[in-house]
Amino acid sequence: GESVGLHLPTLSVQEGDNSIINCAYSNSASDYFIWYKQESGKGPQFIIDIRSNMDKRQGQRVTVLLNKTVKHLSLQIAATQPGDSAVYFCAETWDNYGQNFVFGPGTRLSVLP
Amino acid sequence: EPEVTQTPSHQVTQMGQEVILRCVPISNHLYFYWYRQILGQKVEFLVSFYNNEISEKSEIFDDQFSVERPDGSNFTLKIRSTKLEDSAMYFCASIQDASSTGELFFGEGSRLTVL
Repeated sequence: GESVGLHLPTLSVQEGDNSIINCAYSNSASDYFIWYKQESGKGPQFIIDIRSNMDKRQGQRVTVLLNKTVKHLSLQIAATQPGDSAVYFCAETWDNYGQNFVFGPGTRLSVLP
Repeated sequence: EPEVTQTPSHQVTQMGQEVILRCVPISNHLYFYWYRQILGQKVEFLVSFYNNEISEKSEIFDDQFSVERPDGSNFTLKIRSTKLEDSAMYFCASIQDASSTGELFFGEGSRLTVL
């Protein structure tokens, strides 16, 4: 499949460790954020979302933290597994009707055995 | 699990040729989108489509691009006269409605290579 993000920042973690992936978003008016996972040659896959009236949301093994003061979003993955290896994008939107999300540049997560 | 399907998975074309990329969104979804991703770059919004018309489009979506929903299931992106810089992965996405959680469902993408 096609390689995505050949020159992306890379985060390497040991299997079983926790991962933290960061994202700085651009628009202070953004009120909805999503983290996506993209495996090589595939489309983005929804992981977790958060609205601007929250600062933390938890899913299964994943937690998203939102800091609106500094326009920062993070994704925490607990007990990282080899299957978590992928490129992770944050996406923001301030337009509920068009839903035209703006994607961040992405971070490649590499899980070491 | 319902999914967005796209065809072709890969298309190679000569510069100046017309290309049509096809998508079948999830059946009960109402909003449809095209995004593109140039190799090594981030995913970029092209156009959104609702109620049989374009609701939003980006600067990328110029007169060479058009979208259509010719029947109840297909959603197509046409590039009238391809340029080298149109080479990219094109992703179709759909969402149930604007008041939903906002989860965009993406297809696997169509890779366009313009020679």
